[in-house]
Amino acid sequence: DGGITQSPKYLFRKEGQNVTLSCEQNLNHDAMYWYRQDPGQGLRLIYYSQIVNDFQKGDIAEGYSVSREKKESFPLTVTSAQKNPTAFYLCASRGPGQGASDYTFGSGTRLTVV
Amino acid sequence: GESVGLHLPTLSVQEGDNSIINCAYSNSASDYFIWYKQESGKGPQFIIDIRSNMDKRQGQRVTVLLNKTVKHLSLQIAATQPGDSAVYFCAETPAPSGAGSYQLTFGKGTKLSVIP
Repeated sequence: DGGITQSPKYLFRKEGQNVTLSCEQNLNHDAMYWYRQDPGQGLRLIYYSQIVNDFQKGDIAEGYSVSREKKESFPLTVTSAQKNPTAFYLCASRGPGQGASDYTFGSGTRLTVV
Repeated sequence: GESVGLHLPTLSVQEGDNSIINCAYSNSASDYFIWYKQESGKGPQFIIDIRSNMDKRQGQRVTVLLNKTVKHLSLQIAATQPGDSAVYFCAETPAPSGAGSYQLTFGKGTKLSVIP
């Protein structure tokens, strides 16, 4: 079945560490997105990529970095510069020619700082 | 700044009753509105969408109403079932233009609890 896979489902980070969240899709989608969700809040856009080897900052990019070396993969690194990284992280993709209603979301990674 | 938000953070309804979830938006350039359902620990699932040139759209047991005059969006769920219990988000996007096309702005969500 086609879809988006996020891993790991749960991730624990020590203060000062960088961690990388994986997002892989086999939908042949060009556009991929990373969102952050805090308790009782909506999703906020961190980074997005419309095409391989290109990505743009979203609304809350500070303390995060991404890469898009392959169409299928859009990993997110939470750096030590992100002071409040505990949150639920969601990856999404959207296919060519698809509109705003055609997002496919992953199941998320819950990151906790310990 | 402009934002999308919800009137009520929680809503409890009896099984079989109809549910109405509301959303206010402030961006007059919003062109497309979407309702998502999110169950605990999962990603959002698309429910229904509506373009700004429409007032109403119906799906299976769901109806979305758009009032552009007061910038208000609502989701109606008929004969609410226990499986409808989740957090519901509205999202909006302006008309597509360039590389940032189809970026979604989400509201904060309403938690719907269905009482058996």
